Order: sequence, then C-alpha cells, then structure tokens
Amino acid sequence: DAGITQSPRHKVTETGTPVTLRCHQTENHRYMYWYRQDPGHGLRLIHYSYGVKDTDKGEVSDGYSVSRSKTEDFLLTLESATSSQTSVYFCAISGGAGNTIYFGEGSWLTVV
Amino acid sequence: TQLLEQSPQFLSIQEGENLTVYCNSSSVFSSLQWYRQEPGEGPVLLVTVVTGGEVKKLKRLTFQFGDARKDSSLHITAAQPGDTGLYLCAGAQWNNDMRFGAGTRLTVKP
Repeated sequence: DAGITQSPRHKVTETGTPVTLRCHQTENHRYMYWYRQDPGHGLRLIHYSYGVKDTDKGEVSDGYSVSRSKTEDFLLTLESATSSQTSVYFCAISGGAGNTIYFGEGSWLTVV
Repeated sequence: TQLLEQSPQFLSIQEGENLTVYCNSSSVFSSLQWYRQEPGEGPVLLVTVVTGGEVKKLKRLTFQFGDARKDSSLHITAAQPGDTGLYLCAGAQWNNDMRFGAGTRLTVKP
C-alpha cells in the first residue's frame, strides 16, 4: 500500500465551524490531490498541488482552501462547514502527469 | 454533467456471466485509468491505457481504449463474487487534472 495517511478518519462537526483534514505521504510524490465522493457524482476534484506552495483549483473548490508547506503534507480546510460538505474526502498522490494515482483510505465528514 | 459518463450505473449478475462496463466522454484524454473500490476503502488502480485502440488484459478483465481516446470499456469474463465492487474510470487531461466517472456498482451473486 502507498504510504498515505489521512486524519481524522471520521468527524462530526456543526455548521459554521472550521474543519481541517490532513493528508500525510511518505512516498515523496510531487502531486497531491483532495477529492470528495458523493453518491451519483463519483469522485470530484477539490484542489490539487504540484509542489510545495503550488496549488490549483479543481472542479468543486468553492468553500475549500488548501495548503502545502511541506512535500509530505497537504491540508484541506473548510473555513465554515455547511451541510452540503458532508461527504467522504479522499487524499491522493501521484508522481506526475498520467502516472498512477494512489488513494488514502478516506475521511468521513458529517456536518450537522 | 460528468465529464466522463459511465454505464450502466448499477449491474447485478450471476456468477459465471460476462459483462461490459462503458466509460464515454466528448473530451480527449492523454490516458485513461480504471479503478476498483471496495466499501470503506479508497479506489485501487486496475490498469492504465495510453494509446488509442490499446487493449490490455488482466486475467479475466479486458480493457480497451477507444481509437479517438475519448472512451473506454471494461469487459469481465466469467464474473465471480470477488469481482463485486465499484468500478471507476478516470481520464487524465493534459494539465494532470484527473477526472472521474460516477462509477458502475457491480454485484456478482453466487
């Protein structure tokens, strides 16, 4: 298994509170991604990073921000959580364009 | 609308039957990948196809990339209960933005 650790794995939070999900990799891969997975929509890209401090938006970036201060860590922040952000969040890594993407085990977030 | 459309969305078959899952798009991709996901886990890569018209086989699974690199198919021969899962296709765009289809949920009954 690729060395990807997501934390927390499960979280319940209240609407309006900030939430940060952490992804840590031990593979020294350049690219890191945050996806959300919802029934009927599959995996949708939120943000991705192609290097330290280099990030870009995906298709569903509104309401989310990211930071990558070290190669191994990619943080996803919900500044003010809403119920529509209840989802399963997956972190992923890859070595480059078209390379295999390896996924973490997911973080289940419920916003009540 | 999804950039990649997968069909069927759900498929329930008996052990030993054959099946084909489709992944279609109007966009051209530099490569296309197929993943399988088990409940409570992240997707795991099955195969990557890169060349238009390419066919790859993985035991009882056959993957094909369309000539125009816009679509792909996954064919499973003599399905087994262990093949049960969510099958996802993903297309890599030229900026390394990987887009996923919504998936096909396959159930193989013993």
